[in-house]
Amino acid sequence: NAGVTQTPKFQVLKTGQSMTLQCAQDMNHEYMSWYRQDPGMGLRLIHYSVGAGITDQGEVPNGYNVSRSTTEDFPLRLLSAAPSQTSVYFCASSYSATGDSPLHFGNGTRLTVT
Amino acid sequence: TQLLEQSPQFLSIQEGENLTVYCNSSSVFSSLQWYRQEPGEGPVLLVTVVTGGEVKKLKRLTFQFGDARKDSSLHITAAQPGDTGLYLCRNDYKLSFGAGTTVTVRA
Repeated sequence: NAGVTQTPKFQVLKTGQSMTLQCAQDMNHEYMSWYRQDPGMGLRLIHYSVGAGITDQGEVPNGYNVSRSTTEDFPLRLLSAAPSQTSVYFCASSYSATGDSPLHFGNGTRLTVT
Repeated sequence: TQLLEQSPQFLSIQEGENLTVYCNSSSVFSSLQWYRQEPGEGPVLLVTVVTGGEVKKLKRLTFQFGDARKDSSLHITAAQPGDTGLYLCRNDYKLSFGAGTTVTVRA
C-alpha cells in the first residue's frame, strides 16, 4: 500500500525556472493538499482540493498553481521559482476536508532555489 | 499569523524523564489533532480530540483537550529516544498547524 507518493525527493532550481512537484495517492481520498514547511513556521497550507476539478487557495498560494484532473493526482506547479520558495513541500490527503479527518502525508520534496 | 501557539519551541530531556508540550489558541475548536514528524518524513497522526475535557492515552502518551476547547497538551511519561521528533498540533479552523515543538530525548 503506497499511500501518498511525492516526486522528486530533492530538486535544485535557478531563479526563474519552472517545475512541477508530483503527488499521487492510492487511497481514493477526496481531499488533497499542499503544505510548505520552513524552520520555525510549521506547516503552511498552499492549495487544497476537495475533489476532482475543484481547487482552492490556502494561506500562502502566491507563486504556485495546482490542478486536480483525477482523484489520485494533485501536482503543484512553480511558475517562476524564487529563492523565497526554498522549502520542504509536503502533499497530504484525507477522506474528508473536515478537521477531524486524519491527514496522510508523503515524505516531502526538498526544493532549493538559487 | 499562527492561530495555534505551541510551547516550548524546543525541549531536550534525558531518557526516562517526563515532558509536556502545549498547544494554545484564543479560538474555540471543534476538534484538534496531534502529529509527530521524524526527520526526512512527513507528519504522522497520533490522536484526534473532539470533546472538551477529553483525555486520550496512547501507550506512554497522554493527550488532553481543554474544557473550553481552546487548548491541548501532550504529556509523555518516561520518554525514550524513539519519542524524538517534531510534535505538531492542527485545528479544524482553516485546518492550520502550529509551529511545533522539537523534542529530543537523549539516551
